[in-house]
Amino acid sequence: AQKVTQTQTSISVMEKTTVTMDCVYETQDSSYFLFWYKQTASGEIVFLIRQDSYKKENATVGHYSLNFQKPKSSIGLIITATQIEDSAVYFCAMRENTEGADRLTFGKGTQLIIQP
Amino acid sequence: NAGVIQTPRHKVTGKGQEATLWCEPISGHSAVFWYRQTIVQGLEFLTYFRNQAPIDDSGMPKERFSAQMPNQSHSTLKIQSTQPQDSAVYLCASSFGQRNSDYTFGSGTRLLVI
Repeated sequence: AQKVTQTQTSISVMEKTTVTMDCVYETQDSSYFLFWYKQTASGEIVFLIRQDSYKKENATVGHYSLNFQKPKSSIGLIITATQIEDSAVYFCAMRENTEGADRLTFGKGTQLIIQP
Repeated sequence: NAGVIQTPRHKVTGKGQEATLWCEPISGHSAVFWYRQTIVQGLEFLTYFRNQAPIDDSGMPKERFSAQMPNQSHSTLKIQSTQPQDSAVYLCASSFGQRNSDYTFGSGTRLLVI
């Protein structure tokens, strides 16, 4: 069974700095997909970025990038030049690439606080 | 594109009453998922549909919870004989149904059972 663990409950950083949020996962499959989502204070959950396990290049979208370390089963989210509006809860999730594995399994989330 | 629409946004029910939650997925999305979010458990999978057919309800508490998708434009989650522990935010999400597809979430229904 797949499992996703986010050990950092809360992180606080100064605005305009770079922050990394950790995520480790467990799976028996060699092929899978990893996702990061952001939940704002209003409760809205939005998709940020995805990493396909068979790709060696780290995914990048805007000021979000991933640090994918497959041997360590680790997928960190890096946010550069943080802004106040990046304050939110960030969830890591995964889906195995097998028939029937359609649902996402989520970690418990990391609350990010950006201080001015 | 209005996104995934969930109604109502808030619902308060008395213990033992029934609650029905509605979800309208994005047009063209073939997969619809229901999750429950609480502070303690986080995001818990409940059930999902593909092309309106129920595929996996392994996360549904037995007996009191049921979900349907009578047509491609809406799904319902029904909770009978609600209990205080059912209080949570219930989230609906839809996707194109491919394994690399991300979810689009609705705003959720906050259910409070008193």
